[in-house]
Amino acid sequence: DAGVIQSPRHEVTEMGQEVTLRCKPISGHDYLFWYRQTMMRGLELLIYFNNNVPIDDSGMPEDRFSAKMPNASFSTLKIQPSEPRDSAVYFCASSSRSLLRQFFGPGTRLTVL
Amino acid sequence: GQQVMQIPQYQHVQEGEDFTTYCNSSTTLSNIQWYKQRPGGHPVFLIQLVKSGEVKKQKRLTFQFGEAKKNSSLHITATQTTDVGTYFCAGPGTGANNLFFGTGTRLTVIP
Repeated sequence: DAGVIQSPRHEVTEMGQEVTLRCKPISGHDYLFWYRQTMMRGLELLIYFNNNVPIDDSGMPEDRFSAKMPNASFSTLKIQPSEPRDSAVYFCASSSRSLLRQFFGPGTRLTVL
Repeated sequence: GQQVMQIPQYQHVQEGEDFTTYCNSSTTLSNIQWYKQRPGGHPVFLIQLVKSGEVKKQKRLTFQFGEAKKNSSLHITATQTTDVGTYFCAGPGTGANNLFFGTGTRLTVIP
């Protein structure tokens, strides 16, 4: 099993640009989570999906952030327009109802200049 | 709202010394999970505790769940440099299968 796959691993962009982060969960997992990690705020849950349906997006900071899961094997997190305060490591994780434990991807380190 | 606090925030130990991190919740938890994140890495699941007063061991790591299911601890005996990283506890979130992560304890082991 390849584990959770995220791309890109690093992204450097300029303020105002659109950023799209991608995630492929572990096959067979029906839950997908997007987290943001910063020194100041720690590990924050942004949004999570169950069977491709968004369940709770209360952690999404503002309307500039959006997430989609068009099918069971792919999800995106989009920031438009990006701002320097969005700089962080973004993790995607997946799990199944039976296991409860979460499997994290390697993360995308985003730097907005 | 949910609060899962961990202490200490940082800990520096000499290699061979013991280390303990504590996790405290403002509410009763149905279960608690522990994760380890190496520097530059991603959180990796270590263990889940479910029962009141439960104690589980993984080699030099001992995990405990409090009797009231509001606190938990992770104890490492005779730390090694491979133990370096941030240790997070996580309790159930508001949904059926999401987690609320604690603030984490960053462990540094001095050779």
